[in-house]
Amino acid sequence: LAKTTQPISMDSYEGQEVNITCSHNNIATNDYITWYQQFPSQGPRFIIQGYKTKVTNEVASLFIPADRKSSTLSLPRVSLSDTAVYYCLVVQTGANNLFFGTGTRLTVIP
Amino acid sequence: GAVVSQHPSRVICKSGTSVKIECRSLDFQATTMFWYRQFPKKSLMLMATSNEGSKATYEQGVEKDKFLINHASLTLSTLTVTSAHPEDSSFYICSARDVTRVGNEQFFGPGTRLTVL
Repeated sequence: LAKTTQPISMDSYEGQEVNITCSHNNIATNDYITWYQQFPSQGPRFIIQGYKTKVTNEVASLFIPADRKSSTLSLPRVSLSDTAVYYCLVVQTGANNLFFGTGTRLTVIP
Repeated sequence: GAVVSQHPSRVICKSGTSVKIECRSLDFQATTMFWYRQFPKKSLMLMATSNEGSKATYEQGVEKDKFLINHASLTLSTLTVTSAHPEDSSFYICSARDVTRVGNEQFFGPGTRLTVL
């Protein structure tokens, strides 16, 4: 299992773009990168997933360099409701179980 | 689509009693569900994998006789915390993957907060 490392916490003002970087130096060839968001007292919610280069959906973008040893979750123009913990996970293709790291606690300030 | 529910959302019980938590996939079938535990300000910790029609697979350090898991149907898994003690107080979350959907995302339930007095 590839271990992930991400900042413990980040603060951002409303309206700014937030980039959360996750390092996963031991990622394997058949692993992909997934990000989840968790609000207090709720289950995690899937945000985005990717294998390489860039993936974008209606919520976020995920940038993965060629060596895949890191990834960056980009949240455009955050609002107060984006205050949450964001988890970066490396998941083996075909695997079902997920192992969560410490996550990044994002606080959006008015 | 792909909604997972949990019941109850919150439970308070006395030390020594047993508590059952239900996890349901509402609009899809899940041969495999997962149970996590989360302590305050901590990350989710995978406890066990619940397999429909067979025994659950427990992670290292999780007592299978303490945390009984039953997955009797394709839409329901239950976690029973037996002889609960205050140190079992935690947030319990289940998840499932809809294998008919493209992608590998898992869908999580809203969680159950257990408080043992």
